Amino acid sequence: DTGVSQDPRHKITKRGQNVTFRCDPISEHNRLYWYRQTLGQGPEFLTYFQNEAQLEKSRLLSDRFSAERPKGSFSTLEIQRTEQGDSAMYLCASSVGGGLANYGYTFGSGTRLTVV
Amino acid sequence: DQQVKQNSPSLSVQEGRISILNCDYTNSMFDYFLWYKKYPAEGPTFLISISSIKDKNEDGRFTVFLNKSAKHLSLHIVPSQPGDSAVYFCAASQDQTGANNLFFGTGTRLTVIP
Repeated sequence: DTGVSQDPRHKITKRGQNVTFRCDPISEHNRLYWYRQTLGQGPEFLTYFQNEAQLEKSRLLSDRFSAERPKGSFSTLEIQRTEQGDSAMYLCASSVGGGLANYGYTFGSGTRLTVV
Repeated sequence: DQQVKQNSPSLSVQEGRISILNCDYTNSMFDYFLWYKKYPAEGPTFLISISSIKDKNEDGRFTVFLNKSAKHLSLHIVPSQPGDSAVYFCAASQDQTGANNLFFGTGTRLTVIP
């Protein structure tokens, strides 16, 4: 297990379609986070899980977005009825507990979504 | 409302010289600060962090300075190397032990010229 894996790396979809991304965290990490990064901006927090429980959601996460982490392992982020404004890099990160000391999060390489 | 700001979108430095990247924040509740480095097509990777109880943390060529009264932190890279060329993000959190999420700046693209 070498890091956080995200799939797919790139996704092009037509406006109005649904898309789903997957994140596999580092196996011993119990916290998993989703961030969105648009061009010229830093990553923005979307939501996070501790084990299978979704503990916080950002106001950025509209009702078209849903995230799950069944069994506290991998996570999926679904966007329904995609809009052009959803085009961004979607980053997943994981950590042990909530501690940031020493290591911070470990980020995956992201899924780049383009809505046409 | 951008709570963490990096006002310099880019910085060019000669190899061997010092690189200084700056970051300002507005939320006085921030307690823990981190710097991440990002190469194209990769996720951010953790570089160095500092707690609000310190004003300096050093790790090899990288040093982070924190000025709480000014709500300012900076990352110094000495000596700069071409492999340091990347986008650097400053991030802040209200709690290092139970951190829920990080607030990121917009990034500074560092180019180290050989």
